[in-house]
Amino acid sequence: DSGVTQTPKHLITATGQRVTLRCSPRSGDLSVYWYQQSLDQGLQFLIQYYNGEERAKGNILERFSAQQFPDLHSELNLSSLELGDSALYFCASSPGTSGETQYFGPGTRLLVL
Amino acid sequence: AQSVAQPEDQVNVAEGNPLTVKCTYSVSGNPYLFWYVQYPNRGLQFLLKYITGDNLVKGSYGFEAEFNKSQTSFHLKKPSALVSDSALYFCAVRAPPGAGSYQLTFGKGTKLSVIP
Repeated sequence: DSGVTQTPKHLITATGQRVTLRCSPRSGDLSVYWYQQSLDQGLQFLIQYYNGEERAKGNILERFSAQQFPDLHSELNLSSLELGDSALYFCASSPGTSGETQYFGPGTRLLVL
Repeated sequence: AQSVAQPEDQVNVAEGNPLTVKCTYSVSGNPYLFWYVQYPNRGLQFLLKYITGDNLVKGSYGFEAEFNKSQTSFHLKKPSALVSDSALYFCAVRAPPGAGSYQLTFGKGTKLSVIP
């Protein structure tokens, strides 16, 4: 158990809908990272937050957004969902902005029908 | 831009034999290198990392990795494979501090099958 929690574990929804994925980092970790894992794209970095502020953006679509709250939990919002958004979404956390090791949560499996 | 290559989609090894999972990388500056393992329907588990120092890094579950700067490689090794080692292995690279973003760039993964 990495100490990173993600909810829900599974999510099934329809095209055009909006969903919110939630992540709680390890105790004391200030950075949260979101990654998407799909069969065709592999593991891709989406976005990083540090202590409530956005720090880095990767291959995140404009339909996707995220935020980190004062209690350091983070939410990833996915809107206008398409079939191709079906994937495993991971959250990871690390102590700071240059914390070397990222610890991953169990992931949220999203299926868009 | 940083990148990672894992040249083998699958590696098969007999139980008790040594195993190697290959990884090469490209990054500006001194690399931070990681290996993670993913079991079916599970998240990624951290195995080991190389930041600086000894080129041979020891990690969890008896795994080790050898950093080779001239060959830009970071191969994962284990002296004696177990059936329970069967999983998907990911190599990842991160830019050093001061380079801006600390996102991990992953390879495509190598499926390791240990045959009893």
